[in-house]
Amino acid sequence: DVKVTQSSRYLVKRTGEKVFLECVQDMDHENMFWYRQDPGLGLRLIYFSYDVKMKEKGDIPEGYSVSREKKERFSLILESASTNQTSMYLCASSRGQGRDGYTFGSGTRLTVV
Amino acid sequence: GENVEQHPSTLSVQEGDSAVIKCTYSDSASNYFPWYKQELGKGPQLIIDIRSNVGEKKDQRIAVTLNKTAKHFSLHITETQPEDSAVYFCAASTGGFKTIFGAGTRLFVKA
Repeated sequence: DVKVTQSSRYLVKRTGEKVFLECVQDMDHENMFWYRQDPGLGLRLIYFSYDVKMKEKGDIPEGYSVSREKKERFSLILESASTNQTSMYLCASSRGQGRDGYTFGSGTRLTVV
Repeated sequence: GENVEQHPSTLSVQEGDSAVIKCTYSDSASNYFPWYKQELGKGPQLIIDIRSNVGEKKDQRIAVTLNKTAKHFSLHITETQPEDSAVYFCAASTGGFKTIFGAGTRLFVKA
């Protein structure tokens, strides 16, 4: 069963901490994405990557960075966590350029206190 | 900017009834329209998709329709069952890397 695995299901961090969210996919997909999910706002794209070491900003990149050192792994970094970054974070991967559906991970619910 | 509007935000139906969720997109270049189902505690899962050269697609109890002129697309679930209860997201893509998602519809199927 192919999957996207997010390392943590729940995280609680303090304001100002540096936070790492990890995502691994086993489908050899070229594209990986980080979304943020908030009630009433749907899914908003933070960053995506179409190849190793390549990254592009999404719609809400402020306060975030990403790293893709290996094809199967895509990390989201909160440089200095703030309370407005409390949210559900979803990682996804895909083979095509927006003409193939995404495979999502189960999500990481991050609370910043 | 590009936008996908999704209605209703909440839908409650009796088991066995049909459910319809509607979406409108703004970018006329959109050509791929996936639908995702998100169950409690899980990530969204692709359940059906439609491309711009097709007007309708069916897969067992679910179907999607697309009206490119009106920039509308809809998800139809027939003979609903309690396990259909979930949040459903529509999305639109122009074929690039950015897929725009609707805000979601929470579907309740009452037994």
